[in-house]
Amino acid sequence: SQQGEEDPQALSIQEGENATMNCSYKTSINNLQWYRQNSGRGLVHLILIRSNEREKHSGRLRVTLDTSKKSSSLLITASRAADTASYFCATVLGSTLGRLYFGRGTQLTVWP
Amino acid sequence: EPEVTQTPSHQVTQMGQEVILRCVPISNHLYFYWYRQILGQKVEFLVSFYNNEISEKSEIFDDQFSVERPDGSNFTLKIRSTKLEDSAMYFCASSAIDGATEAFFGQGTRLTVV
Repeated sequence: SQQGEEDPQALSIQEGENATMNCSYKTSINNLQWYRQNSGRGLVHLILIRSNEREKHSGRLRVTLDTSKKSSSLLITASRAADTASYFCATVLGSTLGRLYFGRGTQLTVWP
Repeated sequence: EPEVTQTPSHQVTQMGQEVILRCVPISNHLYFYWYRQILGQKVEFLVSFYNNEISEKSEIFDDQFSVERPDGSNFTLKIRSTKLEDSAMYFCASSAIDGATEAFFGQGTRLTVV
């Protein structure tokens, strides 16, 4: 399947530490998006990186994309307890614009 | 800040009953989507909708499902005869242009079929 797969499935860190989550996918993409989901809530869009981009920043978030390895990483710097959530990568194929293929997510827990 | 709103937040229905899940996408968006997330599983694409017609649907979106944009603001998902396995969180999303831009999701409707 095309779905992105996140790694690790769960990550537990202390406040102030950096959190890195990885995503791998299988086929060529138009873009890759990262979402956050607090328990039982909706999906919040974090950042979109296009296939011709290698790195993007947004506040404490840094996303990289390596299309040769079909992988992406999300780095959250100086994490806070409020960052505790599930993080999902979702890919958009060039042939099916709009349809998001989600991975299973990484559950991040940040301890105060 | 504009947001996608969904109602109800929680719906309990008996197996075999029809349910309609409602969504108000962001007003200037053109593409609309429904996704679902069964507890503990991935978020799965159901259907995309553009220019008053379905642009793509997944294998999950069978004849029991239908979508409609009855007016200029609402976007609905109807499940004609619910099954136990339809129990899930259903998310509506919209995007300004298409999948080349970010999709904004609502808070979801938790559907419980008993």
